[in-house]
Amino acid sequence: KNEVEQSPQNLTAQEGEFITINCSYSVGISALHWLQQHPGGGIVSLFMLSSGKKKHGRLIATINIQEKHSSLHITASHPRDSAVYICAVRSYNTDKLIFGTGTRLQVFP
Amino acid sequence: NAGVMQNPRHLVRRRGQEARLRCSPMKGHSHVYWYRQLPEEGLKFMVYLQKENIIDESGMPKERFSAEFPKEGPSILRIQQVVRGDSAAYFCASSPWSGPEEQFFGPGTRLTVL
Repeated sequence: KNEVEQSPQNLTAQEGEFITINCSYSVGISALHWLQQHPGGGIVSLFMLSSGKKKHGRLIATINIQEKHSSLHITASHPRDSAVYICAVRSYNTDKLIFGTGTRLQVFP
Repeated sequence: NAGVMQNPRHLVRRRGQEARLRCSPMKGHSHVYWYRQLPEEGLKFMVYLQKENIIDESGMPKERFSAEFPKEGPSILRIQQVVRGDSAAYFCASSPWSGPEEQFFGPGTRLTVL
């Protein structure tokens, strides 16, 4: 079993829909990252959080430390949001990033 | 303030050749991380370096792979005698200090071994 699990693996949506991507982890962490990887392959850091909730534009990330779970929400989704979204946790013990396998999102107009 | 730079962006090598991948961290960042993304797989940690020091290389294959981050110049990931299984995207990321800080990723180098 992977230490970081994401769901769903693939997600399609119509423009304007509300999107939720989930991440569960099984190790102790000092922080959790949400990353975006576009079809061209570049990786952009969206959020780093260790508690609570963060918001940036149409993106919202939440984390529940007790339940070892995080969610990434996209409000009013747009075709340009189409990308792979990756959850990564920073292991408290090893200080290394452990990555989920990503959620491939396609938003159609 | 330029972001993390990697070059080359694409590298083609024949089996048995050497591959050198370069990463220039963001200005002011002294911590560099290398990650590998095999085709259709997730990112995996390879090595964590500070200037002139390897802090954690637990993700590096035991043979043929090495990394350095000299006092001057970019960080280098070196793969000797490449094999087809080395074909992957190699990303580096940098941060200003250690601990749970945001890491800024470079655009990656896509290595293809023929």
